[in-house]
Amino acid sequence: GAGVSQSPRYKVAKRGQDVALRCDPISGHVSLFWYQQALGQGPEFLTYFQNEAQLDKSGLPSDRFFAERPEGSVSTLKIQRTQQEDSAVYLCASSPPVGAYNEQFFGPGTRLTVL
Amino acid sequence: AQSVTQLDSHVSVSEGTPVLLRCNYSSSYSPSLFWYVQHPNKGLQLLLKYTSAATLVKGINGFEAEFKKSETSFHLTKPSAHMSDAAEYFCVVSDWGFGNEKLTFGTGTRLTIIP
Repeated sequence: GAGVSQSPRYKVAKRGQDVALRCDPISGHVSLFWYQQALGQGPEFLTYFQNEAQLDKSGLPSDRFFAERPEGSVSTLKIQRTQQEDSAVYLCASSPPVGAYNEQFFGPGTRLTVL
Repeated sequence: AQSVTQLDSHVSVSEGTPVLLRCNYSSSYSPSLFWYVQHPNKGLQLLLKYTSAATLVKGINGFEAEFKKSETSFHLTKPSAHMSDAAEYFCVVSDWGFGNEKLTFGTGTRLTIIP
């Protein structure tokens, strides 16, 4: 079956540009997560959706970061006015309906490079 | 608050010898613990999980881990290393059963297998 997909896989942006990263979760998965993985580090939590509701955005590093999941399926992470420190791999994960232990299934990530 | 500490950033073992990757955790609740593996240019893959059932957990590819509450540890082991085990390994904690769905990753241990 299809796993979590992310697009684009690679994105190069000039400092100050806006970017949009897309995540297609596994069909039927209620929960969706975004993580940021800097070079040589473990992933760090950014935000979490249950269906279309954003239940936790405590990990978003600044108000330049915005995520949405309007129909409870596809999600977009938007970064405005990108800075060099935003360069990282952005990982999306989805997990089955609430009530099951939350094994999260990860996509391949989008590698963002800000010049 | 939840956190994990991976005690070694890099471990090298010879092919056919045992593997030990160490992890200590901190959690306000009875946590769920996971080990994920990340091969170069591939997505994160779940190796095994502990969710308050048996304390000795068996995972894929011959890996296992033992939850020791008294030592707050969840070390990953494998009896005999294979070349294909070379990758980055992350110890992960979650308080999912207590309303906190996010995963908190350690900084990772890079496992190198010597032929």
